[in-house]
Amino acid sequence: QKEVEQDPGPLSVPEGAIVSLNCTYSNSAFQYFMWYRQYSRKGPELLMYTYSSGNKEDGRFTAQVDKSSKYISLFIRDSQPSDSATYLCAMVGGSNYKLTFGKGTLLTVNP
Amino acid sequence: KAGVTQTPRYLIKTRGQQVTLSCSPISGHRSVSWYQQTPGQGLQFLFEYFSETQRNKGNFPGRFSGRQFSNSRSEMNVSTLELGDSALYLCASSSGGQMNTEAFFGQGTRLTVV
Repeated sequence: QKEVEQDPGPLSVPEGAIVSLNCTYSNSAFQYFMWYRQYSRKGPELLMYTYSSGNKEDGRFTAQVDKSSKYISLFIRDSQPSDSATYLCAMVGGSNYKLTFGKGTLLTVNP
Repeated sequence: KAGVTQTPRYLIKTRGQQVTLSCSPISGHRSVSWYQQTPGQGLQFLFEYFSETQRNKGNFPGRFSGRQFSNSRSEMNVSTLELGDSALYLCASSSGGQMNTEAFFGQGTRLTVV
C-alpha cells in the first residue's frame, strides 16, 4: 500500500463550480499536510499547509484534515480557468523532513 | 525576494554519461531538497541537505549524489546515466525548520537521456 494515495483524475468542471480534491494516507506519523499546485512545465507552488485536524481557509481555498480517517481534502470555491493545473498533496512527519507526495490530480476548469 | 533558481532548465545526455544539476535556494534558506518527477512515479524524494550536511536520503541508487556549499547552493550529480533517469528534477528550498512545511520549488531541470 502506498503511503499517500491520490486520484489522478482527470477532473473537468465548469467555471464557478466547487472542486473537491482528496488524498488518503497510511502513515500515522504524518503531522503536516500540504497542497501544491503545478502548472504545466513549472515547479510545484505551495498553496497552503495545515497541522491539526479541522479546516483552514485561504481565499477561495479550504484545506481539511481528518487524522482519524487519514483523509485530507482541498476545496476550491468559484473555480476559475486559471485554476486549471495539477494539484498535489504532500505530507511530512516522523523523524525526518522528507515530503511524501501524492501523484497529483489534473484539474481543468472550463470557461 | 528571488525564488529558487535551477540550472540548466533542459539537458540532453547520452546513456553512460554523467550530469550535474545546480540549485540556488531562496536567500536565507538553509535546506535544499531534491526530487525526481516522472509521469509514472510522481514526485519522489532524492535527498535533503541542511547546512552542508545530508540530513535525509531517499531510496535511490548510489549513482545519485549531491552536495551543498557554504552559501547553501546545492548540486546534484547523476553518474552512468540510464534511460530511466529521464525526468524533471526539482529542488525545493526551505528554512529547514518545522519539518519543511514551507518548501518552495524551482522550475526544475528537465533531463532527457538518449
